[in-house]
Amino acid sequence: KAGVTQTPRYLIKTRGQQVTLSCSPISGHRSVSWYQQTPGQGLQFLFEYFSETQRNKGNFPGRFSGRQFSNSRSEMNVSTLELGDSALYLCASSPELGYGYTFGSGTRLTVV
Amino acid sequence: DQQVKQNSPSLSVQEGRISILNCDYTNSMFDYFLWYKKYPAEGPTFLISISSIKDKNEDGRFTVFLNKSAKHLSLHIVPSQPGDSAVYFCAASEGPASGTYKYIFGTGTRLKVLA
Repeated sequence: KAGVTQTPRYLIKTRGQQVTLSCSPISGHRSVSWYQQTPGQGLQFLFEYFSETQRNKGNFPGRFSGRQFSNSRSEMNVSTLELGDSALYLCASSPELGYGYTFGSGTRLTVV
Repeated sequence: DQQVKQNSPSLSVQEGRISILNCDYTNSMFDYFLWYKKYPAEGPTFLISISSIKDKNEDGRFTVFLNKSAKHLSLHIVPSQPGDSAVYFCAASEGPASGTYKYIFGTGTRLKVLA
C-alpha cells in the first residue's frame, strides 16, 4: 500500500516568488492536513481538507492557501515568499477527520 | 503562546532503561492526545494515542499516561532500544466534542538511546 507522497522533496525559491507543493494521500483517505515544521516552532498546523472542503485552519497569514481535488490529492500554495517560510512542509492523510493520520516525508523549502 | 509544551528538547538514556518523555498543555478543552516519532528525513509516524476518558494506554513497550488535573501527559518506553532514538512529538486536539480536529503539536524531544 503506497504511503503519502509529497512532491517535490526539495525546493529552493527566491523571496517574493510563489510556490506550490503537492500531496497525494493514501488511497481511500479523504482527509489531508498540512503542517509546517521549523526548528524553533516544531510542527504547526496549517489547514485540513476533507472532501474538497477546508475544515480547519491554523494561524497562518493568507499567503498560505490550499485546495483539495476530487481524487483527494491536495496542493498547498505560498505566495510572496519570505525568508521565514523556509521550513519542512509535511502533509498527512487520514481516512476520516480526527484520527489515523499518516505523514509524508515532506517538502523542504528553502527561500533565499 | 504554546498550548502544548515539551520542555525538554533532548534526553539521553542507556539502552534497556526507561525513557520518560513529558508533555504539558494549557487548553483544558483538549481531550485527545497523540505521540508521534520522527526520524531524520522522514515524516512523523504515529506511536500511541489516549483520550481524556482514560489515564493510561499501553502498546507493547510504549505507555502513555494522562493526568488531566495537571494537564500533563508522559510517554514511557520500556526497555529503551537504540532504534528508539528519534524526535518525539506530542499533539493534542479538542476532538469531536468541539467539532474540530486541529492538532497542536509540541516542539519535540530528541531521544538518544545509548548502546
